[in-house]
Amino acid sequence: GAVVSQHPSWVICKSGTSVKIECRSLDFQATTMFWYRQFPKQSLMLMATSNEGSKATYEQGVEKDKFLINHASLTLSTLTVTSAHPEDSSFYICSARSRRVETGELFFGEGSRLTVL
Amino acid sequence: GQNIDQPTEMTATEGAIVQINCTYQTSGFNGLFWYQQHAGEAPTFLSYNVLDGLEEKGRFSSFLSRSKGYSYLLLKELQMKDSASYLCAVRDQTGANNLFFGTGTRLTVIP
Repeated sequence: GAVVSQHPSWVICKSGTSVKIECRSLDFQATTMFWYRQFPKQSLMLMATSNEGSKATYEQGVEKDKFLINHASLTLSTLTVTSAHPEDSSFYICSARSRRVETGELFFGEGSRLTVL
Repeated sequence: GQNIDQPTEMTATEGAIVQINCTYQTSGFNGLFWYQQHAGEAPTFLSYNVLDGLEEKGRFSSFLSRSKGYSYLLLKELQMKDSASYLCAVRDQTGANNLFFGTGTRLTVIP
């Protein structure tokens, strides 16, 4: 299968600071990566679709100026939570689709748990 | 838009069989996925259906009826390690072929 790595796994920050989360596809090229957010005991909510070399496509209700997404290469996408507040505390998960896999399933990173104090 | 419904919680006994249902409404159906997610971990792929019928993979099977907007995940010979959330996800071919997830079903396997 395809491997997606996410870093950091855990991050604790003060309110008002910015946090960057990296998502890498290790053994395949991902022209598109997806960012999800998951609150406790809830399902995954798609935040945005990250396209290599172009602007991300955000889902309704997601502030693009607060959640900055950059897809600098075919193997790396980053999510920056700017001016984080306690309500931004959540589990953030990235995923990518490999062209090698016909089903089009998503391969997920390990997730990043953000706690804003 | 998309509307995906699953039961919130289920409990089953070790060694038994459990069926988790999923109903969906979507404008551009292009496949249905089941994922398993243990608490605090990322989801892992279980199965994929795009045509009507049953797909079997070991102890897990998944069924799809496109006309009814219905799928189920069947888990046989339940083991304690099967306690997890099971997420039904529908791919919508409009836009970027995004996956949209249901709320997930939290399965607890008891001895």
